Amino acid sequence: GQQVMQIPQYQHVQEGEDFTTYCNSSTTLSNIQWYKQRPGGHPVFLIQLVKSGEVKKQKRLTFQFGEAKKNSSLHITATQTTDVGTYFCAGQDAGGTSYGKLTFGQGTILTVHP
Amino acid sequence: ETGVTQTPRHLVMGMTNKKSLKCEQHLGHNAMYWYKQSAKKPLELMFVYSLEERVENNSVPSRFSPECPNSSHLFLHLHTLQPEDSALYLCASSSSVAFWDYEQYFGPGTRLTVT
Repeated sequence: GQQVMQIPQYQHVQEGEDFTTYCNSSTTLSNIQWYKQRPGGHPVFLIQLVKSGEVKKQKRLTFQFGEAKKNSSLHITATQTTDVGTYFCAGQDAGGTSYGKLTFGQGTILTVHP
Repeated sequence: ETGVTQTPRHLVMGMTNKKSLKCEQHLGHNAMYWYKQSAKKPLELMFVYSLEERVENNSVPSRFSPECPNSSHLFLHLHTLQPEDSALYLCASSSSVAFWDYEQYFGPGTRLTVT
């Protein structure tokens, strides 16, 4: 079945440093979503990418979808302590017959030291 | 955020108990989901309902039984669980199950401990 791998599993940064997490799928995706889960909280939707090579920005966050639609990245510029949490990517298999089925990566846990 | 609510927030149950988790969404969505989140494992999709009809059952053991009486409510009935079923159970909803339209809104989760 489809697998979504995310690296790194953990990332510790000093406040002000940049951070990037990478997501790779074993199959071509129809779209990819990114979620953030604060410690003790629940996943919160950040963004969805649909088009090959798509790049979207939200303030200090930049999201990319690979040309082959099998990988994606989230980059945070100049991290702040409010960025702490686990960042998940989630994709839907383009060749799948099941709809509404997102496969989540295992997440990257980001800690930011002030 | 109160778009998706879940009760109870915490549940401790023995392996022979029967309990139910409840989820309610106030967003007017047509699709609802149950996920299991275990430590150090990815979020696992358990069930998907679209307009109250189950469209996905992701090979979940029969000791978990979902129920969707209407598009606003979703239940997960639990019986004879195992200790490895201890996890955070998350409910989510989306406008539809179409891939271009299913940004998912998660509830706060129920932390389940099976003793």
